[in-house]
Amino acid sequence: NAGVMQNPRHLVRRRGQEARLRCSPMKGHSHVYWYRQLPEEGLKFMVYLQKENIIDESGMPKERFSAEFPKEGPSILRIQQVVRGDSAAYFCASSPKVAGVGTSSTDTQYFGPGTRLTVL
Amino acid sequence: DQQVKQNSPSLSVQEGRISILNCDYTNSMFDYFLWYKKYPAEGPTFLISISSIKDKNEDGRFTVFLNKSAKHLSLHIVPSQPGDSAVYFCAASKTSYDKVIFGPGTSLSVIP
Repeated sequence: NAGVMQNPRHLVRRRGQEARLRCSPMKGHSHVYWYRQLPEEGLKFMVYLQKENIIDESGMPKERFSAEFPKEGPSILRIQQVVRGDSAAYFCASSPKVAGVGTSSTDTQYFGPGTRLTVL
Repeated sequence: DQQVKQNSPSLSVQEGRISILNCDYTNSMFDYFLWYKKYPAEGPTFLISISSIKDKNEDGRFTVFLNKSAKHLSLHIVPSQPGDSAVYFCAASKTSYDKVIFGPGTSLSVIP
């Protein structure tokens, strides 16, 4: 059973370019979360998506950042007109979330290996 | 406003001894707590979780204790092994599928 897949693992962009980060959740998982880890900091929540729906985007910067999780294909985190401050590790996590079930380890978020974005 | 705190940035323990990592939280709405382990250049790996209806959960060498009245949890690793050397993140959420709020991490070094 493959885990959460993220690609690319490393991405280098120049200021002003666009960055696209992809995340394929674990098989059977319909919920995707994106987190960012800035240098020397902990992980910060960005956005939580279901298929074709954004559930919670309270951690997303208001401008230049967007996320989607289409019916088919991976989840995409898109950063337009990147700046040096966007350099970070971006982690995706997925969970199955079974409605009506109480707290269970099956709801736990499992993380991918991350994409390390470097903005020159 | 840091809702999940890990006040020890680092911890060193002898191999075979117990490692105790501590975590405090401020949001009383948190109902689900997790510990993740992270190696450099890798994603966090889920270790163990506990819901607020329990005060202890054990999985092999790892035990998590929750003191809800004190808003405190701890992770015990016994016996500690060199392969346990990593950064450990305490995390919390309002439900098991809600966004997870992470602490800043504690870097554990297990000395052979």
